[in-house]
Amino acid sequence: QQQVKQSPQSLIVQKGGISIINCAYENTAFDYFPWYQQFPGKGPALLIAIRPDVSEKKEGRFTISFNKSAKQFSLHIMDSQPGDSATYFCAASKNQGGKLIFGQGTELSVKP
Amino acid sequence: DAGVIQSPRHEVTEMGQEVTLRCKPISGHDYLFWYRQTMMRGLELLIYFNNNVPIDDSGMPEDRFSAKMPNASFSTLKIQPSEPRDSAVYFCASSPAWGAGTDTQYFGPGTRLTVL
Repeated sequence: QQQVKQSPQSLIVQKGGISIINCAYENTAFDYFPWYQQFPGKGPALLIAIRPDVSEKKEGRFTISFNKSAKQFSLHIMDSQPGDSATYFCAASKNQGGKLIFGQGTELSVKP
Repeated sequence: DAGVIQSPRHEVTEMGQEVTLRCKPISGHDYLFWYRQTMMRGLELLIYFNNNVPIDDSGMPEDRFSAKMPNASFSTLKIQPSEPRDSAVYFCASSPAWGAGTDTQYFGPGTRLTVL
């Protein structure tokens, strides 16, 4: 019940295309869903986050779509750029207690 | 702010040796987290502290691993004795008090540990 399942494991997208990464969770107590971006040799960094009181959040080219009934959320990267090539992790936590449960990660490669 | 500081950045040691990883969180942050990252297991939370007190150590793999936070500006993760399967990148992260306007965890650059 503590797991967050992420797919796909890897993704190749052409420059200008849309990248979509999906995550699913079981624990309905989760109330915070961030996405982290990690470049090689660096630590993960927060990209965008959502709470279950909204179904979508957009920041620039990055959008989170949240489906509470399906217990799924996804990251959409519009107009994908080679500089977006990185590993993306979804995560979830409950009760603002500090502990994040991370998905397995998606390695995104954007081809020029 | 310099961000989360970890040392060393790289550590190569032989099986059976003691390894100590160090972390300095962002000043004013109440939470400190230790993670381990491997290709096989992804990003795993090992332990986290709130105001220097360990809150959840259920992710610590075994008794060979121990973590301390003697004050708000310093934490260590110790492996004794080390084994080849401990080879991984270890991250430290910190975050402000939850509900303080941000729930972001700020990660350090990591320590790449290789146990031969």
